[in-house]
Amino acid sequence: EDQVTQSPEALRLQEGESSSLNCSYTVSGLRGLFWYRQDPGKGPEFLFTLYSAGEEKEKERLKATLTKKESFLHITAPKPEDSATYLCAVHPGNTPLVFGKGTRLSVIA
Amino acid sequence: NAGVTQTPKFQVLKTGQSMTLQCAQDMNHNSMYWYRQDPGMGLRLIYYSASEGTTDKGEVPNGYNVSRLNKREFSLRLESAAPSQTSVYFCASSAGIGPNEQFFGPGTRLTVL
Repeated sequence: EDQVTQSPEALRLQEGESSSLNCSYTVSGLRGLFWYRQDPGKGPEFLFTLYSAGEEKEKERLKATLTKKESFLHITAPKPEDSATYLCAVHPGNTPLVFGKGTRLSVIA
Repeated sequence: NAGVTQTPKFQVLKTGQSMTLQCAQDMNHNSMYWYRQDPGMGLRLIYYSASEGTTDKGEVPNGYNVSRLNKREFSLRLESAAPSQTSVYFCASSAGIGPNEQFFGPGTRLTVL
């Protein structure tokens, strides 16, 4: 069974305190790993797609990396506006995305 | 360019009532999806449509039906609502069923009393 596990469930950071979110997965054949951001009361917003181990992508203070078993979302010098829930999802072949439960990030000024 | 739109934004139903959630996309996408999101459960796929004219069950299809009306529109119907269907419902679309990014609508918050 395809599974995605995100940790921690919740993370509280001081402004400027860098950290990482983890997404571990077990799938039959990974075709892509996706990161989304979700603000309260809104739909998820696409951030990154990673397709193969070793791949990295960056956007502002966010950097996503991928290995054969997990992905990390690194947040460098976060700001309060980075507060959101971050969702990880995998595409396991010919079926749609399988989502993790998310990490709720709070950045305190 | 509105992206993915959903109606209504909020709805309160009584147990046993029926309703249809509407979703439309203007990105010329082939694939569309319905998810529900519950606290602590993450996003769970209800039904999806890989292309116009096809629909398939997702992880939690019981109690729901869908219709791919045309390439733009994908509706979700609750025939006899139950309190367990209280949730936030999201529609999404993507270029295809492959590893393409999905674009999400703003959601419908449904409460069943």
